[in-house]
Amino acid sequence: DVKVTQSSRYLVKRTGEKVFLECVQDMDHENMFWYRQDPGLGLRLIYFSYDVKMKEKGDIPEGYSVSREKKERFSLILESASTNQTSMYLCASSFSSGRAHEQYFGPGTRLTVT
Amino acid sequence: AQSVTQPDIHITVSEGASLELRCNYSYGATPYLFWYVQSPGQGLQLLLKYFSGDTLVQGIKGFEAEFKRSQSSFNLRKPSVHWSDAAEYFCALKRGNNRKLIWGLGTSLAVNP
Repeated sequence: DVKVTQSSRYLVKRTGEKVFLECVQDMDHENMFWYRQDPGLGLRLIYFSYDVKMKEKGDIPEGYSVSREKKERFSLILESASTNQTSMYLCASSFSSGRAHEQYFGPGTRLTVT
Repeated sequence: AQSVTQPDIHITVSEGASLELRCNYSYGATPYLFWYVQSPGQGLQLLLKYFSGDTLVQGIKGFEAEFKRSQSSFNLRKPSVHWSDAAEYFCALKRGNNRKLIWGLGTSLAVNP
């Protein structure tokens, strides 16, 4: 079974702190994704990566950066956390495009910024 | 522009009743289509997917979905709902070689005992 793990289920940070969210997948997937999920807004893509050190902006990249130094690990970084970044963050991974490869999701990290 | 619409934000059904969740899409070619389920506080789990062939797709947990090209729809069905089916359901579309998914906003399902 594919496993996608996220470093924390719940996280509380203060405004202005630098926050790291880590995601690890064990299926040698090329693609990895970071989403945020807010009530009524569904899933919104922040960034994704299609290879080591390669990344593309999603729909809402402002205020975030990412890092992918190893194929299995994809990190989301909030350089200076703000209260409007309080949200559920979901990581996902998938094989390369070209076929109907589904995305596999981690359990999510609920981040609260106070 | 490509899009996925889930017309029902919230649905309530009684346990044992049948269920149909609607998903409509806008895309010029044949899409790959997915249904995911999210239990409270959890990540998303794939229920089923359509990519070619038979338009009636069977999934996990007793769910099925039918792809109707003429109606641009991919509705999810279950003949008899269980209380454990209460969750958020998301429909998503993948365009050919594009890596990203286009997501609907989800339908929240409540199940009355």
